[in-house]
Amino acid sequence: DSGVTQTPKHLITATGQRVTLRCSPRSGDLSVYWYQQSLDQGLQFLIQYYNGEERAKGNILERFSAQQFPDLHSELNLSSLELGDSALYFCASSVDSTGSYGYTFGSGTRLTVV
Amino acid sequence: GQNIDQPTEMTATEGAIVQINCTYQTSGFNGLFWYQQHAGEAPTFLSYNVLDGLEEKGRFSSFLSRSKGYSYLLLKELQMKDSASYLCAVREGRMDSSYKLIFGSGTRLLVRP
Repeated sequence: DSGVTQTPKHLITATGQRVTLRCSPRSGDLSVYWYQQSLDQGLQFLIQYYNGEERAKGNILERFSAQQFPDLHSELNLSSLELGDSALYFCASSVDSTGSYGYTFGSGTRLTVV
Repeated sequence: GQNIDQPTEMTATEGAIVQINCTYQTSGFNGLFWYQQHAGEAPTFLSYNVLDGLEEKGRFSSFLSRSKGYSYLLLKELQMKDSASYLCAVREGRMDSSYKLIFGSGTRLLVRP
């Protein structure tokens, strides 16, 4: 157990629907990062939050949004889902905004869009 | 922008040594990480290099040359459980003081008996 908790572990939904993925960072970590990993692809950086504020943005689609709450947990919202959104979505956390002390990953949420 | 290249697949024999190379082109280089990822599981941290040279940690070592934009991960005394994907990731510092951890596509290592 890495200390980073992601729920749900699996999600199956239909095209056009909206889902919310949840991440609780490791105790003491202030930054949360979201990554998307499609089949046989590398991890694509989506977005980072630090202490409640957006800190860095990657290749995140406009249909996707995220936020970090006062208790530091984060949610990734995916809307108007398409078949191509099927992927593993990983959350990682780090102590500070720079990641100088490393990044710890959760076990991921496997999203299947049918 | 950034570009990180690693071989797609490698095969090695149990007990042997394997070297996985990673080349990168990025602005604002601020460290290089290696992660191990078993299929469908979370990436787990293996090593971190920010200065040139070799970092050794048990059976795993990682080398960095910043001037060449090159790193390698060396795995010794290979075990069957080392069959996994190995991800090279570069931390990139930006002008706005933010940092991004950018991953390569990973190298799938198969260890054979």
